[in-house]
Amino acid sequence: KAGVTQTPRYLIKTRGQQVTLSCSPISGHRSVSWYQQTPGQGLQFLFEYFSETQRNKGNFPGRFSGRQFSNSRSEMNVSTLELGDSALYLCASSLAPTGQGRGYTFGSGTRLTVV
Amino acid sequence: DAKTTQPNSMESNEEEPVHLPCNHSTISGTDYIHWYRQLPSQGPEYVIHGLTSNVNNRMASLAIAEDRKSSTLILHRATLRDAAVYYCTDTGAGSYQLTFGKGTKLSVIP
Repeated sequence: KAGVTQTPRYLIKTRGQQVTLSCSPISGHRSVSWYQQTPGQGLQFLFEYFSETQRNKGNFPGRFSGRQFSNSRSEMNVSTLELGDSALYLCASSLAPTGQGRGYTFGSGTRLTVV
Repeated sequence: DAKTTQPNSMESNEEEPVHLPCNHSTISGTDYIHWYRQLPSQGPEYVIHGLTSNVNNRMASLAIAEDRKSSTLILHRATLRDAAVYYCTDTGAGSYQLTFGKGTKLSVIP
């Protein structure tokens, strides 16, 4: 079965611009989470959605936002890009919250470079 | 947030068993222990999870201490494809996030 699909794979943006990243979860998975990975901070949780509702948000500024559609596909948006936003953005999906003993399946990520 | 500690790096010879340790200093009674690994240029990959009992799957085994303050991921025969960064984490019931530490970088020597 198809895995978690993230598009685009690579993206170069200029400071001050905004960007939208897309994630298609595994069919039947209703929980979608987003993570940011940088060499300095490692993997950090951004937010999690279940049935179109954001249930948890990490410690990121309001420039980072997301949403989930009725088909469970999710998008995240970063406005007013800063150089420090350059990172690998990972999407993960699951049947249920990970605290219920469910593992997450991650996509390969979108590599965002801000210049 | 849950906090785990792992060695920064470990080495193993190919086809030898590998024991990757993790300390779960703030784990509570209902928290699940999860292990993920990340190969270069890929997203993290789920390996195994458990609550109290030891667990086995096709990828690895998970040994959980009786007090649950530590766990060990066991790769029975390391291959070159197992070279990756391994992360342990513990998540509470109803948790919607994984909290990753720095992980252990495993090198496999041919």
